[in-house]
Amino acid sequence: AQKVTQAQTEISVVEKEDVTLDCVYETRDTTYYLFWYKQPPSGELVFLIRRNSFDEQNEISGRYSWNFQKSTSSFNFTITASQVVDSAVYFCALREGSGNTGKLIFGQGTTLQVKP
Amino acid sequence: EPEVTQTPSHQVTQMGQEVILRCVPISNHLYFYWYRQILGQKVEFLVSFYNNEISEKSEIFDDQFSVERPDGSNFTLKIRSTKLEDSAMYFCASSEGIFEVNTEAFFGQGTRLTVV
Repeated sequence: AQKVTQAQTEISVVEKEDVTLDCVYETRDTTYYLFWYKQPPSGELVFLIRRNSFDEQNEISGRYSWNFQKSTSSFNFTITASQVVDSAVYFCALREGSGNTGKLIFGQGTTLQVKP
Repeated sequence: EPEVTQTPSHQVTQMGQEVILRCVPISNHLYFYWYRQILGQKVEFLVSFYNNEISEKSEIFDDQFSVERPDGSNFTLKIRSTKLEDSAMYFCASSEGIFEVNTEAFFGQGTRLTVV
């Protein structure tokens, strides 16, 4: 069965600290897609990144980086030099390749608080 | 930048009343979705829609729910007889594709439904 686990419910850091948000997924499919979304206090869901299962290359975008490890079924998200504006709920999500519908399965989310 | 737009941003309705939540997906997208987020909880899949028909629906999407694409731009979610437990944030999303590339779903800002 497909499942996404974000074990960290809340994380609090001081500005400029690095922080890693964990995501562990379960799927029987060999082809699947992983996503991270940000939900700021205003409530919208903002797409951050997509990673395909057949592309294990890690990615860096500014202060954000993602570490995809198929061996441990993890897709972790690191924010370097965190800023107050990074305060939000972050969701990891999975879409299985066998489905023809695009359905996303979300984790419970990690609330990140960055204090000045 | 193209975006998914939802109206209204907040809807208050009495229990038993019908509500229609409206969405305008991104214009070149082909796959449309509704998700629900009960306050403080994770985002849950309701339904996906492609080629003018439902491609998948969750257990939450029972007979009181329906979706429609009445014209070339709008995508609506109707709740026929609202219950208190339908109170949630409802997100519309769309994606260009679902295989390999351009599979990411872009979300609207959400409609907060409050059933009293």
